[in-house]
Amino acid sequence: DVKVTQSSRYLVKRTGEKVFLECVQDMDHENMFWYRQDPGLGLRLIYFSYDVKMKEKGDIPEGYSVSREKKERFSLILESASTNQTSMYLCASTAVRGLSFGEQYFGPGTRLTVT
Amino acid sequence: DAKTTQPPSMDCAEGRAANLPCNHSTISGNEYVYWYRQIHSQGPQYIIHGLKNNETNEMASLIITEDRKSSTLILPHATLRDTAVYYCIVRAGQNFVFGPGTRLSVLP
Repeated sequence: DVKVTQSSRYLVKRTGEKVFLECVQDMDHENMFWYRQDPGLGLRLIYFSYDVKMKEKGDIPEGYSVSREKKERFSLILESASTNQTSMYLCASTAVRGLSFGEQYFGPGTRLTVT
Repeated sequence: DAKTTQPPSMDCAEGRAANLPCNHSTISGNEYVYWYRQIHSQGPQYIIHGLKNNETNEMASLIITEDRKSSTLILPHATLRDTAVYYCIVRAGQNFVFGPGTRLSVLP
């Protein structure tokens, strides 16, 4: 059974703290993604990675960075958390299949609250 | 990536077919149509995707019009567990753009 896991389901952090969100997939997928989901806005892509040590900015990368040191692990970093980063964060992975890129498998999400 | 338009909400009686429409009039030739759904408090779940031919799998059928400007996701026998937000996405390349989707309520 394919699986994408995220390090925490719920997280509460203070403004200014450095926050690490971890994502691990066990499907040997090349591509991994970080989204945030906010009411009325759907899912918005923050960053993605198509290979180890490679990263690309998505639609809303400001205030975030990422790290992919191993194929199965993709980390999202909030260098200095702010209240407007309170959101649901979703990690996903997909295999490369030409232009189709296959289906994305999502983790359960991390609900982050910044106070 | 092309934009999509979906109705914000729909109801369906349990056991009946649920037909969820999606307009993607600016779709280009190499963009696939994907459908996902999200049940409350869970991550999105892949349902089906297609390019220009109709597709069917164990979860649903995808009907794409000949001009590819719209598509319909069909859940043939909706159950209460199919209550979710359904997202229609068109893309070519690595970037998925999820809009607000359609909230499907399956009623007993």
